[in-house]
Amino acid sequence: AQRVTQPEKLLSVFKGAPVELKCNYSYSGSPELFWYVQYSRQRLQLLLRHISRESIKGFTADLNKGETSFHLKKPFAQEEDSAMYYCALSGNSGNTPLVFGKGTRLSVIA
Amino acid sequence: NAGVTQTPKFQVLKTGQSMTLQCAQDMNHNSMYWYRQDPGMGLRLIYYSASEGTTDKGEVPNGYNVSRLNKREFSLRLESAAPSQTSVYFCASSVSLGGYTFGSGTRLTVV
Repeated sequence: AQRVTQPEKLLSVFKGAPVELKCNYSYSGSPELFWYVQYSRQRLQLLLRHISRESIKGFTADLNKGETSFHLKKPFAQEEDSAMYYCALSGNSGNTPLVFGKGTRLSVIA
Repeated sequence: NAGVTQTPKFQVLKTGQSMTLQCAQDMNHNSMYWYRQDPGMGLRLIYYSASEGTTDKGEVPNGYNVSRLNKREFSLRLESAAPSQTSVYFCASSVSLGGYTFGSGTRLTVV
């Protein structure tokens, strides 16, 4: 079974502080991992995917298969980063529908 | 390009009423999905269509039906609405590998 766990419902950090949003997954095969973001009153949008190994808006995420984690990190938080963040997994090398975690609300305090 | 368009944006239903949520995409994507978003529950898959002519159940299909009308359109029907179906419904489409494009959502309240 595929499962995504985001242990924090809410994460509050000060502007300029480092951010780490945790994501752990359960899947025995080859997963594809993603982070999606939902800003206030906007639709969900793809932030990044592990296969791209890219940095978007200063965020990065590394897939750690040993720890089954895909934590999202940013060295210096900005107020505009405040949003809801969802970690998602697709099994079978990306050929099954996404399974989402319950989400973490990031609040960046000025 | 409009991307993924959902209608209506808001709807209030009485218990037992029926309605259809519409979704259309103009990106020539093969796969389409319906999710519901509830506080503290994240997004849960209701139904999906991997390609035109196919539909499959997701995690929470009870009380819903879907129709993949053509490659562009994927509708979600509530035959007899219940208060437990109060939620925000998102339609999405993808080519492959998780790069979903989401609609703006339908906020449904069942009273």
